[in-house]
Amino acid sequence: QQQVKQSPQSLIVQKGGIPIINCAYENTAFDYFPWYQQFPGKGPALLIAIRPDVSEKKEGRFTISFNKSAKQFSLHIMDSQPGDSATYFCAASIETSGSRLTFGEGTQLTVNP
Amino acid sequence: DTGVSQDPRHKITKRGQNVTFRCDPISEHNRLYWYRQTLGQGPEFLTYFQNEAQLEKSRLLSDRFSAERPKGSFSTLEIQRTEQGDSAMYLCASSRTGIEELFFGSGTQLSVL
Repeated sequence: QQQVKQSPQSLIVQKGGIPIINCAYENTAFDYFPWYQQFPGKGPALLIAIRPDVSEKKEGRFTISFNKSAKQFSLHIMDSQPGDSATYFCAASIETSGSRLTFGEGTQLTVNP
Repeated sequence: DTGVSQDPRHKITKRGQNVTFRCDPISEHNRLYWYRQTLGQGPEFLTYFQNEAQLEKSRLLSDRFSAERPKGSFSTLEIQRTEQGDSAMYLCASSRTGIEELFFGSGTQLSVL
């Protein structure tokens, strides 16, 4: 059973655009929601994360918006750059479960120059 | 390099053979995780250790798979009697108790012919 659903599967934007990636979850016990970035041939790396007690978190050009009632969260990338071209994964975990992450299917982002 | 190290980076084997992968976590991290990632999908949790204790195993982990973490340091993942469906990227990650961020290695790409 897929507990974290991510969309879109792929996304192409021009440099300076604001790509938005969406995720929805089912398990209301989830209490930690990170986004990971993965480049080809590398493992995922943490980009930004949020807990359900806040509705928005911003770090540099990356913002997470969180809607607890809708069980949805999204990643916005401001002023996107070609170097942001990568695969992005949303994930969720329960703190008491040893930080075991359940990942979404991933979004392949391409930022054209 | 003080990141998570995985060896080998690539492994090609014939169906029915046994393979073993190694993961060296970040030295002060007491938690170690194994994930499997197939093309176009997010990583799927396989198992995790806290120190030398294996605390959780996914239902994905058939009895052909075994993982160990002797002395709570490096870990090995063995797959016996490999099948073509085992072809995937096997990712290792580590973290510290109380810290949610997982640090991933670059993975071992397994191809079963």
